Amino acid sequence: AQSVSQHNHHVILSEAASLELGCNYSYGGTVNLFWYVQYPGQHLQLLLKYFSGDPLVKGIKGFEAEFIKSKFSFNLRKPSVQWSDTAEYFCAVNKGGKLIFGQGTTLQVKP
Amino acid sequence: GAVVSQHPSRVICKSGTSVKIECRSLDFQATTMFWYRQFPKKSLMLMATSNEGSKATYEQGVEKDKFLINHASLTLSTLTVTSAHPEDSSFYICSARDPASGNTDTQYFGPGTRLTVL
Repeated sequence: AQSVSQHNHHVILSEAASLELGCNYSYGGTVNLFWYVQYPGQHLQLLLKYFSGDPLVKGIKGFEAEFIKSKFSFNLRKPSVQWSDTAEYFCAVNKGGKLIFGQGTTLQVKP
Repeated sequence: GAVVSQHPSRVICKSGTSVKIECRSLDFQATTMFWYRQFPKKSLMLMATSNEGSKATYEQGVEKDKFLINHASLTLSTLTVTSAHPEDSSFYICSARDPASGNTDTQYFGPGTRLTVL
């Protein structure tokens, strides 16, 4: 079945460590790709999105993601995480006007 | 960015009663809104697409008579959980498609409504 997969379910890092969260999708054709973040007790916020052009997308709060079409991947990265990055991260694909979400990755950053 | 609000933020009701949840786009007009359900430690599951002035489109497995959706204006969509049961307890989240996002089809999310059915 077509899906969005996030392989890291729970990631624990120390402050200043580098972060990479994996996201793979199985949809063919044109897709729009998104990363959303949900801080504890807050609503989903858009981190960044890719729809065309430069496959390296920069978002808010120092996050970036790289679209690799041949690998059907859209991994999220941040060179140096902070305690305030502790949150739930969701990768999503917009296909046919609908957002299909991955399972989510819980990131816990230790001070 | 665009702002979407939901009301109420949390509701507790007795089994068998109906509960209405409102979703509003505050600073833009949204012809299309979406309703999701999020279980603890789980991803968001799309329930239905709400289209202003027409019937909602439900995802497979979602009972349309159970989850009534009305999108009567360009800034308001409502989800009514009818004859609620404990298994309907969940976190319900709405989103609205930002027409200014063009072909990127970006959605902005409300803060969610925690429904607890006793």
